[in-house]
Amino acid sequence: QVQLKETGPDLVQLTQTLSITCTVSGFSLTTYNVHWVRQPPGKGLEWMGAMWNGGGTDYNSAFKSRLSISRDTSKSQVFLKMNSLQTDDTAKYFCASQLLHWGQGVMVTVSS
Amino acid sequence: DVVLTQTPPTLSATIGQSVSISCRSSQSLLHSNGNTYLNWLLQRPGQPPQLLIYLVSRLESGVPNRFSGSGSGTDFTLKISGVEAEDLGVYYCVQSTHAPRTFGGGTKLELK
Repeated sequence: QVQLKETGPDLVQLTQTLSITCTVSGFSLTTYNVHWVRQPPGKGLEWMGAMWNGGGTDYNSAFKSRLSISRDTSKSQVFLKMNSLQTDDTAKYFCASQLLHWGQGVMVTVSS
Repeated sequence: DVVLTQTPPTLSATIGQSVSISCRSSQSLLHSNGNTYLNWLLQRPGQPPQLLIYLVSRLESGVPNRFSGSGSGTDFTLKISGVEAEDLGVYYCVQSTHAPRTFGGGTKLELK
């Protein structure tokens, strides 16, 4: 059974760096891609980037300069790091395998 | 980037009514490998998105068969044949044919 779980902070200070971990089970990171998607409160879904099963990455150009995605296959974990946070980065952050199966998400508030 | 336009943005329905949601793409979603990577998701209030339909018309395991997907190229439709109370929420189409992945703006299904 495919499962994903995001862990990260509830609150991040303005201009600081956000780090979120996606821990997966039921599949190998070398088999399926893992995507990061975010959703500001009351708004739609925004694709941020992906870790491909081969180890490469792809990013939405809207985030490319401040977003980094990496992984540890031995721990079945994918990591999101985004720097220079602003208040409009307040959102729920999801990881999803193949954009088919989704984690519950983690709500992150950027505070001044 | 591929733009997915969903209509209508809001849909009011009574229990038992059949409804359809349209998703139109700015580019053909037919991949060079012959697949069309267009999925439909349902996000119930306070929940992560849930996969309903993948590859245009394939029903995800466990999803009721009152849901069906159709379409090709740039025009796609999700149909619910007999709305039930548990179907309320926001429906999204998402494409994985082209980079970057993109989502439709969502269609909110509510009770009339």
